Amino acid sequence: EVQLQQSGAELGKPGTSVKLSCKVSGYNIRNTYMHWVNQRPGKGLEWIGRIDPANGNTIYAEKFKSKATLTADTSSNTAYMQLSQLKSDDTAIYFCAMMGLYWGQGTLVTVSS
Amino acid sequence: NTVMTQSPTSMFISVGDRVTMNCKASQNVGTNVDWYQQKTGQSPKLLIYGASNRYTGVPDRFTGSGSGTDFTLTISNMQAEDLAVYYCLQYNYNYTFGAGTKLELK
Repeated sequence: EVQLQQSGAELGKPGTSVKLSCKVSGYNIRNTYMHWVNQRPGKGLEWIGRIDPANGNTIYAEKFKSKATLTADTSSNTAYMQLSQLKSDDTAIYFCAMMGLYWGQGTLVTVSS
Repeated sequence: NTVMTQSPTSMFISVGDRVTMNCKASQNVGTNVDWYQQKTGQSPKLLIYGASNRYTGVPDRFTGSGSGTDFTLTISNMQAEDLAVYYCLQYNYNYTFGAGTKLELK
C-alpha cells in the first residue's frame, strides 16, 4: 500500500523558514514526480511545484519560484519543501502528492509573530 | 500561465439530481485535465484523469468529458456522499487548478 506521511504542524515567525517533509512508503520515489500543493484557509488548491527525485530537476509555479525549494532524498524515500521568508499569507495547509493518486495528509503551516 | 476558469462557484443540489460543472482553459490543453473531489478536512481524491477516464473504484455516476479548452464533470443521480468541492487540474502547461465548485444541499 502506498502511503505519504507528512511532518507535523509548524508555527513560524515572519521572515523565517520552515522545512516540511513527506515520507513515502510502498513506492520508490525515483519512479515518479513529487508534487506540492497548498490550500489557504477556506480557499482552493494551488500547485506549487514538482521535483523529479531521480535527478533533482524541479519546476515551480511562477509565484513560488522565490518562496519554495523542493528537494528529495532517495535513500530515505522522502521529499522536502522549504518555505522561506515566511509571511502571514503563507499560512496554509501544504500537501505532497504523487501521480495525482496519492496524497499526504497535509501539514498546517501557521505564520505568526 | 494557463488559467482554468471553473463554474459555477457553488451549487445547491438535492439527492438524485444530475449535476454538471465546467472548466474552461485559457488555451488548448488537449485532454490533459484531471478532476478531483475534496471533502472537508480531507486530502483531494482523483476522480477522472485524461479528461474522461474514470479512476479505478470511482462510481460510474461520475463522468468527465471535453477536450481543447472546454471540460465538464457530470454527476448523475447525486448522492449525499458526493457533497464536496470539485477541482479541475490542467497539466498540459505546468499545472493549474480551477478555483473549485462547491456542492451543497438545498
